[in-house]
Amino acid sequence: EIVLTQSPGTLSLSPGERATLSCRASQSVSSSYLAWYQQKPGQAPRLIIYAASSRATGVPDRFSGSGSGTDFTLTITRLEPEDFAVYYCQRYGSSPRHTFGQGTKLEV
Amino acid sequence: QVQLQESGPGPVKPSETLSLTCTVSGGSISSGSYYWGWIRQPPGKGLEWIGTIYYTGSTYYNPSLKSRVTISVDTPKSQFSLKLSSVTAADTAIYYCARDGGGYCSTTSCYTDYSGMDVWGQGTTVTVSS
Repeated sequence: EIVLTQSPGTLSLSPGERATLSCRASQSVSSSYLAWYQQKPGQAPRLIIYAASSRATGVPDRFSGSGSGTDFTLTITRLEPEDFAVYYCQRYGSSPRHTFGQGTKLEV
Repeated sequence: QVQLQESGPGPVKPSETLSLTCTVSGGSISSGSYYWGWIRQPPGKGLEWIGTIYYTGSTYYNPSLKSRVTISVDTPKSQFSLKLSSVTAADTAIYYCARDGGGYCSTTSCYTDYSGMDVWGQGTTVTVSS
């Protein structure tokens, strides 16, 4: 079973700065099957990136995803106050169909 | 615009069965383009996928929960449901339903592009307590 490990666990930055979040898979993952979600307190997760680098509908272009194989990155340029949240990476595949990373908390 | 809404009876006692329903509105559960899933989040913890169903009734379950989980679909009512048996305090969580943008997967491979879980319900809190 593929395990996703996200780092760092917590990232402390300020508005206007650049955030780089990492997701490492224990085995190679198709980039077509890697997604990122944003979750704010008291809210359901929101899809940010799918297929490793495609932005979901309505997601600002300061969010970008990259990577392949076992290493994937979510980058947020010029952090806005509303970007501070927990971010999860997710792998879609077979056996099991879905796996989530443990999350990275992006805090001020 | 598709919306999902979870509903359920509230608190559950240990050893009983947790039952939740997700109602899909603004779109067809039978469109064929999407699967439908359940995800949970224990207090202060991360996301855990529970299982996914297609409108035909085909299901995928998390191996760690498979022995206790049943997901079913009622297409005329545009609903899909979760049953989790023999619950313990460890099953206390927020339970979300979501639209799953994947396709068919065998035990070794998936065969279509994946567009993510792009629509989520607001979540419902289930507490397991005597």
